[in-house]
Amino acid sequence: GIQVEQSPPDLILQEGANSTLRCNFSDSVNNLQWFHQNPWGQLINLFYIPSGTKQNGRLSATTVATERYSLLYISSSQTTDSGVYFCAVGILYGGSQGNLIFGKGTKLSVKP
Amino acid sequence: IAGITQAPTSQILAAGRRMTLRCTQDMRHNAMYWYRQDLGLGLRLIHYSNTAGTTGKGEVPDGYSVSRANTDDFPLTLASAVPSQTSVYFCASSASGGGNEQFFGPGTRLTVL
Repeated sequence: GIQVEQSPPDLILQEGANSTLRCNFSDSVNNLQWFHQNPWGQLINLFYIPSGTKQNGRLSATTVATERYSLLYISSSQTTDSGVYFCAVGILYGGSQGNLIFGKGTKLSVKP
Repeated sequence: IAGITQAPTSQILAAGRRMTLRCTQDMRHNAMYWYRQDLGLGLRLIHYSNTAGTTGKGEVPDGYSVSRANTDDFPLTLASAVPSQTSVYFCASSASGGGNEQFFGPGTRLTVL
């Protein structure tokens, strides 16, 4: 099956620093999403980005589908950015497109 | 109700007991999903439904069943719970099953003793 690999697995930043999280996937996909799981366990949608570039405030994401990777950029990090960031890709599964395969996540800790 | 709700928030269950986790969405989404999240393994798909009246098996379906009697509700049943089913369970929905963006509920933390 498709492999979704995220790097780095852990990241510690000082408040105000910038960072780049990477997601590599091993096959063609029809969906790619980035999520933030906050310390309370909620999964927050960040980007729906099967291809191209999007920006939302201090966060932006780029997916290069032909090269099978996606990047999440966090600028001027804040302590509230702490948590786990998941990349998930949508595949054809059992005749249904769109079921998500998740990477194992990047755990981000932002220190004040 | 706004978005996806799940109940209960958390539950401790004796092994062998039957348990139904509830999920309701008010976005009129056609597709719904159940995932489980285990430490170090990320989220894995249990079952899905592309539209009311249809369901399908995901990556880890054993020990679980689902039904989709209407658009809004997608309950997940553990017929006879086992300790390996201790996990956090997330329900999700999307406009359709064709690669659309998925939105997640707040999760149910289940402990089976």
